[in-house]
Amino acid sequence: AQSVAQPEDQVNVAEGNPLTVKCTYSVSGNPYLFWYVQYPNRGLQFLLKYITGDNLVKGSYGFEAEFNKSQTSFHLKKPSALVSDSALYFCAVRDTGGTYKYIFGTGTRLKVLA
Amino acid sequence: ETGVTQTPRHLVMGMTNKKSLKCEQHLGHNAMYWYKQSAKKPLELMFVYNFKEQTENNSVPSRFSPECPNSSHLFLHLHTLQPEDSALYLCASSQGTGTGDHEQYFGPGTRLTVT
Repeated sequence: AQSVAQPEDQVNVAEGNPLTVKCTYSVSGNPYLFWYVQYPNRGLQFLLKYITGDNLVKGSYGFEAEFNKSQTSFHLKKPSALVSDSALYFCAVRDTGGTYKYIFGTGTRLKVLA
Repeated sequence: ETGVTQTPRHLVMGMTNKKSLKCEQHLGHNAMYWYKQSAKKPLELMFVYNFKEQTENNSVPSRFSPECPNSSHLFLHLHTLQPEDSALYLCASSQGTGTGDHEQYFGPGTRLTVT
């Protein structure tokens, strides 16, 4: 069955330090992978996606994500965190070998400390 | 702004009330979705519409009734809800629901409290 796991409920990082938010997935075919961010009292905003090609994907606000097929992971990264990056981050997958449903993870709260 | 608006932003209703949530997208998309977001749980897909036709009902109780009069508007009619239905209800749209790599665009949500 398709699934997405975000193993950390919360990630704390100091401003200026690199950040990583983890995501692993399980699908039957090739995955389409997405990252979304949710700020307080707002809906989810699209950050970036991996469809095919280069394993390193660049997105909005300086974020990037690395697709690793052997580890079935799609971790979100940023070289230097900002306090304004503090938000809830969701990983999502669409299974091209299945129903093409969007499956979301439980979310990881990122807290960037000044 | 994402191009998807939702009204009302907050709603408090009793278990015997009837109310409706409204969603409108200004992106020219063909697909619209309702999700339920509860704390510490993954987003729960409720309904999917593609070109005004419902393509998915994710075993949602009949006290939730969707309506999609056109590709730009989506409603969620609520009646005789339970306290456990209290959550943030998110509307989203995308270019399509087929095999494309389309990302979704979300509205700000309606915070529903059932008393």
